[in-house]
Amino acid sequence: EVQLVESGGGLVQPGGSLRLSCAASGFTFSSYWMSWVRQAPGKGLEWVANIKQDGSEKYYVDSVKGRFTISRDNAKNSLYLQMNSLRAEDTAVYYCARTHSYSRSPLFDFWGQGTLVTVSS
Amino acid sequence: QSVLTQPPSVSGAPGQRVTISCTGSSSNIGAGYDVHWYQQLPGTAPKLLIYGNSNRPSGVPDRFSASKSGTSASLAITGLQAEDEADYYCQSYDSSLSALVFGGGTKLTVL
Repeated sequence: EVQLVESGGGLVQPGGSLRLSCAASGFTFSSYWMSWVRQAPGKGLEWVANIKQDGSEKYYVDSVKGRFTISRDNAKNSLYLQMNSLRAEDTAVYYCARTHSYSRSPLFDFWGQGTLVTVSS
Repeated sequence: QSVLTQPPSVSGAPGQRVTISCTGSSSNIGAGYDVHWYQQLPGTAPKLLIYGNSNRPSGVPDRFSASKSGTSASLAITGLQAEDEADYYCQSYDSSLSALVFGGGTKLTVL
């Protein structure tokens, strides 16, 4: 059974940093792209970043470029999101999602339960 | 403002059929990028409902179907059930933004 378990969320002040983790199990982690997707309170879904199987390619939504860094450790079956210079608008539930390279439009075929990040003074 | 446009809400009585539209542009759906649909039940993580415009993952009832034409896509739910009450999102890729994009989401209410 595919399982994705996020951790590391919490309350942080504007300008602060936080590192999210996602522990994967039930599939060959090193064979899949992985992504972070976020959802602000009461709002819709927003793709944040994704990373290739070997970490050689990384992509970000414009609003987080230069502030967030996605990484992975295939030996530990883990995905990470380092978030720096956090802003109030980064407040959201952050989901880890297994990403399937379907044709020219990747999709998210399994999701974790999410971890809440709150940026507030 | 989302790149993919969905109606904020739709509703239907049990047993009825409802459709949810997803309107894009020439840089995403109209450019041939596939559309995927997700269901998010209240208080839970999203779940893949339809992939590749019209394909159902294993375990998804055939009451759910979807199609794509031109710059738009649509999700249809027949034989509406109370358990279908959820938020539904379409998703694709946008070449102008070089980003994976979602619709704003549609809240389905079963009357």
